[in-house]
Amino acid sequence: QSVLTQPPSASGAPGQRVTISCSGSSSNIGNYNVTWFQQLPGTAPKLLLHSNNQRPSGVPDRFSGSKSGPSASLAISGLQSEDEADYYCAAWIASLQAVVFGGGTKLTVL
Amino acid sequence: EVHLVESGGGLVQPGGSLRVSCAAAGFTFSDYWLTWVRQAPGKGLEWVASIKGDGSDKYYVDSVKGRFTISRDNAKNSLFLQMSSLRVEDTAVYYCTKHLLGATSHWGQGTLVTVSS
Repeated sequence: QSVLTQPPSASGAPGQRVTISCSGSSSNIGNYNVTWFQQLPGTAPKLLLHSNNQRPSGVPDRFSGSKSGPSASLAISGLQSEDEADYYCAAWIASLQAVVFGGGTKLTVL
Repeated sequence: EVHLVESGGGLVQPGGSLRVSCAAAGFTFSDYWLTWVRQAPGKGLEWVASIKGDGSDKYYVDSVKGRFTISRDNAKNSLFLQMSSLRVEDTAVYYCTKHLLGATSHWGQGTLVTVSS
């Protein structure tokens, strides 16, 4: 059981908007920034969002993030088939002196 | 362009040792925290260990404390993970990462470590 909880799966049709949650507690991500990673099938993960909602160059603006208290969310609008991947949230938790990952969410584009 | 290339993975028996390496290029190596992240077959990501740019601070996940040692050679732009007393549950792809949670996060392609008799 991860400190950060994600739904194991999510799905949506092309063009739709989907959201993936990452729930912690006030003692962990409540005080820290959340990072999101995308892992396409058979590849290494790559950075999708950092500092809760900041996109690195090259990441389409269809991807957005938000955080409120102990919960963070990743939103993907205008869903495309190439978005089918596993998505992970992560944060550094100072009280644990550890990085924690959410369990991951497998996104299926219908 | 940032490049991280892991090597050293392979098959090892339970209780054995192995050292995996990561060769880096394309950035000022000593400026960045580096991290090992692993992924067991069909499972999610797990943080393993992190080391500060000058090597002065190191952190480990509880399950590897006392068995794994992270180190770096800034003169050779290389990161290492020395693994001992290996267990079947250490079987995973081990990824080398730069600035894991930051704006310039970058991952290598990974190296597979299999612990089996």
